[in-house]
Amino acid sequence: QKEVEQDPGPLSVPEGAIVSLNCTYSNSAFQYFMWYRQYSRKGPELLMYTYSSGNKEDGRFTAQVDKSSKYISLFIRDSQPSDSATYLCAMSPTGANSKLTFGKGITLSVRP
Amino acid sequence: DGGITQSPKYLFRKEGQNVTLSCEQNLNHDAMYWYRQDPGQGLRLIYYSQIVNDFQKGDIAEGYSVSREKKESFPLTVTSAQKNPTAFYLCASLPGVSYNEQFFGPGTRLTVL
Repeated sequence: QKEVEQDPGPLSVPEGAIVSLNCTYSNSAFQYFMWYRQYSRKGPELLMYTYSSGNKEDGRFTAQVDKSSKYISLFIRDSQPSDSATYLCAMSPTGANSKLTFGKGITLSVRP
Repeated sequence: DGGITQSPKYLFRKEGQNVTLSCEQNLNHDAMYWYRQDPGQGLRLIYYSQIVNDFQKGDIAEGYSVSREKKESFPLTVTSAQKNPTAFYLCASLPGVSYNEQFFGPGTRLTVL
């Protein structure tokens, strides 16, 4: 079993839809959880960052962590064509300067 | 304007040649990282450096080499020993020891002809 599994996609939704992107993991030591957005042929940009379990909201984006189920989610409300990108989950264990473990990424397309 | 720069954006190499990818940051970040990204794959760690003049192998270091002579610079050399070097290479940096979220450069696309 890979340390981090991410739904392979691709995913296509109409504009305005609510999008749910998910990752599962096996390493119970993971404490820091991140979502990156990557546009085609660009570097990833940090979208959301959470520590331990709980929810974090930033505009149309909500990150959710359920450590008991080893499951994290990113919700996008009122999705826009500009949200079309690849979304990567990443996580690291407790401890400063820890290496990140990434999911493979899921490509989202939002149709106008 | 602070950030991470990578050059060149596109690079072509003949088989058997070494090539060096540049990564520079003016964010005053301590740690720097090199990743490789292949289609449909996540990011795989090649090398990382937490401090000047020190670096560690990542998960796929074979066929690569790095140096960290200056805080702001972390060049990656792809040697002829790397069997399948065609990929998208990403450099990242981390502010310091109390942080986890990495910031990425724009990437270099390397193609071996």
